[in-house]
Amino acid sequence: SQKIEQNSEALNIQEGKTATLTCNYTNYSPAYLQWYRQDPGRGPVFLLLIRENEKEKRKERLKVTFDTTLKQSLFHITASQPADSATYLCALRSYNTDKLIFGTGTRLQVFP
Amino acid sequence: EPEVTQTPSHQVTQMGQEVILRCVPISNHLYFYWYRQILGQKVEFLVSFYNNEISEKSEIFDDQFSVERPDGSNFTLKIRSTKLEDSAMYFCASRYRQGTYEQYFGPGTRLTVT
Repeated sequence: SQKIEQNSEALNIQEGKTATLTCNYTNYSPAYLQWYRQDPGRGPVFLLLIRENEKEKRKERLKVTFDTTLKQSLFHITASQPADSATYLCALRSYNTDKLIFGTGTRLQVFP
Repeated sequence: EPEVTQTPSHQVTQMGQEVILRCVPISNHLYFYWYRQILGQKVEFLVSFYNNEISEKSEIFDDQFSVERPDGSNFTLKIRSTKLEDSAMYFCASRYRQGTYEQYFGPGTRLTVT
């Protein structure tokens, strides 16, 4: 069955460092992979989208890579700040569907 | 910046009762969705809606669920006879048009079934 795995353990890093979050998937061929931020009790907020034929995408301090051979996406936040503390979700979508399949998310804690 | 809104923010209901969750998607968006998130679990797709009809639904979206776009702005999710296991956060989302893929989520309605 389709599976999307993100680190279930929280990631704790110091302010100013680069946070790297991982999303691995199996039994799935996504056309698009998206990253969302979710704060406690709130809805997911769209951050970045990368297509299957793209290797890397950047937006300000955020960078996403997508390796369809490894079936993995990496999400980087450079120069992290305490305000970046949240849960980060990866979501996949294939060509023949409109739904997003979400991973369980990784909680990021940036401490001063 | 335009955003998806949802009401109520919290709904408490008794098992067997009907509930209607309301959403106002971003005004020029054409595709609409409902997702749910049980506490501590991942966000799960329920249904997508386009051109006044359901385009896709999950196995969770059984006969107890229905969606409607009663006018040009509202999008509703109805649960006819709630069960304890329907307790979750329900998120509405919308997407602009064909060729765009990012979905914009509302703040959610927390549904508690007692």
